[in-house]
Amino acid sequence: NAGVMQNPRHLVRRRGQEARLRCSPMKGHSHVYWYRQLPEEGLKFMVYLQKENIIDESGMPKERFSAEFPKEGPSILRIQQVVRGDSAAYFCASSPTRPPSGEQFFGPGTRLTVL
Amino acid sequence: AQSVAQPEDQVNVAEGNPLTVKCTYSVSGNPYLFWYVQYPNRGLQFLLKYITGDNLVKGSYGFEAEFNKSQTSFHLKKPSALVSDSALYFCAVRGGQVGGGADGLTFGKGTHLIIQP
Repeated sequence: NAGVMQNPRHLVRRRGQEARLRCSPMKGHSHVYWYRQLPEEGLKFMVYLQKENIIDESGMPKERFSAEFPKEGPSILRIQQVVRGDSAAYFCASSPTRPPSGEQFFGPGTRLTVL
Repeated sequence: AQSVAQPEDQVNVAEGNPLTVKCTYSVSGNPYLFWYVQYPNRGLQFLLKYITGDNLVKGSYGFEAEFNKSQTSFHLKKPSALVSDSALYFCAVRGGQVGGGADGLTFGKGTHLIIQP
């Protein structure tokens, strides 16, 4: 059973460009979470999605950031008009059960660098 | 709001000695507590969790954690450290409420564990 997959692993963008980060959850998992990790910081929750639904996006910045988890295909975290402060590691996690008790399984992350 | 504190940025332990990585939490209602480990340039790996029941939880790679409700703590322990245990360790909590960010895990800032040969 393959783990959570994220691509690309590394992404370089210039200021003002768009970044698209992809996450394929573990087989059988329908709950997806996105987190952001800044250098020397813990992970910060961004958004929780189930298939075709955003359940909790209270951790998402109000502008430029969006997420989706379509019926078919991976979950996408989209950052429009990137700025240097968006440089971070973005982790996706999935779980087979809804919160709160299930553990989350994390992908290897996408490291975004904004030049 | 829920929060996690890991008071030590770094813990140094000699190989073969017992280790403890500290974690305290604040959450509304019953806590759901987790420990994860992160190796350089890798994602987080699940170690163990406390949901309910026995206060001593056993997890992967010989790690265990003790839930103490009165002290709101969930310290990670291992009786005999290995050099390969050197990594970054995160404590995380989730409360029983729904929404408002509570669906995600709230992480501490992490503790670097260094095991010296």
